Amino acid sequence: GAGVSQSPSNKVTEKGKDVELRCDPISGHTALYWYRQSLGQGLEFLIYFQGNSAPDKSGLPSDRFSAERTGGSVSTLTIQRTQQEDSAVYLCASSPRDGAGKLFFGSGTQLSVL
Amino acid sequence: DAKTTQPPSMDCAEGRAANLPCNHSTISGNEYVYWYRQIHSQGPQYIIHGLKNNETNEMASLIITEDRKSSTLILPHATLRDTAVYYCIVRVGVMKTSYDKVIFGPGTSLSVIP
Repeated sequence: GAGVSQSPSNKVTEKGKDVELRCDPISGHTALYWYRQSLGQGLEFLIYFQGNSAPDKSGLPSDRFSAERTGGSVSTLTIQRTQQEDSAVYLCASSPRDGAGKLFFGSGTQLSVL
Repeated sequence: DAKTTQPPSMDCAEGRAANLPCNHSTISGNEYVYWYRQIHSQGPQYIIHGLKNNETNEMASLIITEDRKSSTLILPHATLRDTAVYYCIVRVGVMKTSYDKVIFGPGTSLSVIP
């Protein structure tokens, strides 16, 4: 079946603009994760959703970052008033409840803030 | 913070076994060891995981020490396509009813040399 889908694959924006990044997890997966990866760096945890529980937002770097997951499926990561340091690849992963804890990653959204 | 430590980089000759170490001295009894890899410009890919017994699949073998404080991922016959960053993480596994956030460290950059 289809894997984790992220859109857009590339986004170029101007400093100060708001952006929305979308993640379509694998159907039926209950957990959804967002990560940020700056050039040459490792994965930085941002937020994760598990079913209907309150999300773990402990990794969000500032209040300019927020995320929603509607209907337990699609998730949107919103960055308000973008800054140049927000430039990175934003990766989404999903995981099924009975999948032995494996994460399935999308290909990411490359965000460039000019 | 990540609960694992790995060497930042390693080289391996093509066709030889690549042995990637990971230290997880503070691992809890209900935490599994997972390995992922990230090939350039792609999202991370699951490789293998284990609790305390050694594991093998079509991609790799995982050797976990008896005290579970360290492990080694073995790629038996490394190819150029195995050049990637390899991440070792620990997390609660499938038996727990709710998932935790998954923290990645910087990983090991493996270069397979012709």
